[in-house]
Amino acid sequence: AQTVTQSQPEMSVQEAETVTLSCTYDTSESDYYLFWYKQPPSRQMILVIRQEAYKQQNATENRFSVNFQKAAKSFSLKISDSQLGDAAMYFCALGANNAGNMLTFGGGTRLMVKP
Amino acid sequence: DAGVIQSPRHEVTEMGQEVTLRCKPISGHNSLFWYRQTMMRGLELLIYFNNNVPIDDSGMPEDRFSAKMPNASFSTLKIQPSEPRDSAVYFCASSFQALPQETQYFGPGTRLLVL
Repeated sequence: AQTVTQSQPEMSVQEAETVTLSCTYDTSESDYYLFWYKQPPSRQMILVIRQEAYKQQNATENRFSVNFQKAAKSFSLKISDSQLGDAAMYFCALGANNAGNMLTFGGGTRLMVKP
Repeated sequence: DAGVIQSPRHEVTEMGQEVTLRCKPISGHNSLFWYRQTMMRGLELLIYFNNNVPIDDSGMPEDRFSAKMPNASFSTLKIQPSEPRDSAVYFCASSFQALPQETQYFGPGTRLLVL
């Protein structure tokens, strides 16, 4: 079974600053995939970034990047130059071959961006 | 591309009534997922289909819940009879293939309130 833990229920960042959201996971699989999804107030979940476990290089998507520490089973999301539109719930998720294409989601972190 | 379409967006009903939620996945996607989101339990996978066949329904809370996918472009989630504890946001998501690395695309959700 997979587990995903987000230990920060809420985070706050000043506009234009950088914030890091934490995520730890557990799986017995060697081949798996990690995702960060964003859920804005409109509620629709949107994929932010994805990381393949076999890749050592951290994924980046514009202002979003991850710090993937495989040995520590840690997958944090860094948001640079935070914008008001980044305010949302952020969910970390894990997909592994032994679970078909089912995703295991963390409990979420609510990010507030202060102007 | 219209994305995943869900209807209705909001549903208010009385305890004991039947509720039917509808989902149209992205054209060409072979996997479809139903999730439930509540404050207490977070995001839970209820059931998922691959090529219209239910693969895992272990998340379906009880016999009051049923889901069908009669064809590749339509799925329903039915609650009969509904109870106040079923109040939640129900999301439908689809992905291209039944592989863990596939991105799941979420619909806007149906907010259900059972009085």
